[in-house]
Amino acid sequence: AQKVTQAQTEISVVEKEDVTLDCVYETRDTTYYLFWYKQPPSGELVFLIRRNSFDEQNEISGRYSWNFQKSTSSFNFTITASQVVDSAVYFCALDSGGYNKLIFGAGTRLAVHP
Amino acid sequence: SAVISQKPSRDICQRGTSLTIQCQVDSQVTMMFWYRQQPGQSLTLIATANQGSEATYESGFVIDKFPISRPNLTFSTLTVSNLSPEDSSIYLCSVWDPGLTDTQYFGPGTRLTVL
Repeated sequence: AQKVTQAQTEISVVEKEDVTLDCVYETRDTTYYLFWYKQPPSGELVFLIRRNSFDEQNEISGRYSWNFQKSTSSFNFTITASQVVDSAVYFCALDSGGYNKLIFGAGTRLAVHP
Repeated sequence: SAVISQKPSRDICQRGTSLTIQCQVDSQVTMMFWYRQQPGQSLTLIATANQGSEATYESGFVIDKFPISRPNLTFSTLTVSNLSPEDSSIYLCSVWDPGLTDTQYFGPGTRLTVL
């Protein structure tokens, strides 16, 4: 069965702290894709990253970085020097088999306080 | 990336009525999807809207309750029928864009409240 687990329900940090959001996935497919989306209070879903199962290179985009480890079935997301504008719910998602049907984790609500 | 719009952005409906949600994309896309996000919950795929054929529904969702149309490659509708308070959710349209990012983008969502 395919599944995405985001064990952290809520995280609260003070501005400029680094924060890591955990994502653990389950799949038996060898080809799959992992995603992170941000949902700010306004409600829209903002695409952050897509990673395929054959590319384990870590990715950095500004203050954002992602650590993909197949050995532990994890795809963790780190925000460096967090800002108040980072406050949102973050979803990790899995496309198992490449059928473009996303399975979402429960989401992690991040609150960044000034 | 594809630009997606949805109408209405929000609505309040009475129990037993229906609501039709429209999804418009600014470019032709092969795959369109409908997701539901119940209050405080994650997103769940309802169905894949197929152009020229019936939608493909996920387990737990049926055509009688969630009829879907896909008349062309830029437009789809989702109807939520025989509304009950349990249908109060955000409904999101999504498209797969095989372009540069080869990823899925989501519309702004339709927030439905059923009284």
